[in-house]
Amino acid sequence: DAGVTQSPTHLIKTRGQQVTLRCSPISGHKSVSWYQQVLGQGPQFIFQYYEKEERGRGNFPDRFSARQFPNYSSELNVNALLLGDSALYLCASSLSGHSYEQYFGPGTRLTVT
Amino acid sequence: AQSVTQPDIHITVSEGASLELRCNYSYGATPYLFWYVQSPGQGLQLLLKYFSGDTLVQGIKGFEAEFKRSQSSFNLRKPSVHWSDAAEYFCAVDDSSNTGKLIFGQGTTLQVKP
Repeated sequence: DAGVTQSPTHLIKTRGQQVTLRCSPISGHKSVSWYQQVLGQGPQFIFQYYEKEERGRGNFPDRFSARQFPNYSSELNVNALLLGDSALYLCASSLSGHSYEQYFGPGTRLTVT
Repeated sequence: AQSVTQPDIHITVSEGASLELRCNYSYGATPYLFWYVQSPGQGLQLLLKYFSGDTLVQGIKGFEAEFKRSQSSFNLRKPSVHWSDAAEYFCAVDDSSNTGKLIFGQGTTLQVKP
């Protein structure tokens, strides 16, 4: 079975631009969580979606938004990019949103110049 | 609020030597604790997890961890390190908000000398 997939693998954006990152969960999983991992630090929780509803949000500005589609895939949008948004963005999927059943994808490396 | 501290930012061990990576957590009740490994440019792979019961937890790749409530610790161990174990290791705790949110430590980078 395929694991969690994320696209694109890498991308480079300019300050002020907008970016959309995509995540496809493991088949049958109904929850997706997003994390930001800045170089040299541990991942930081951004959002969790379960059954297309936002169930949790981390301490991130409103420039960050997400949604989950009927097929349970998810998009993370970041507007008005800042240099500090450069990071590895990780998606994790789970059956029902519990941490003990989460599986992480390979991540999308975003570089803002 | 829950927090996780990994006191060692970088550790170097010789291949074949034993390994212990430290993790301390701050949490009122019995926590859900995790250890993940991340190879360069890769996502996170779960090594092991603890919820309750036996305080010594076995994981993949020959790793184990011991939960010590009195010390608020969940240290990761391996009796004999292989060169392929060189990676970054993260300890994490569930924040108990029922959102699946994990709080991660800063990570420990493991270097293995031949």
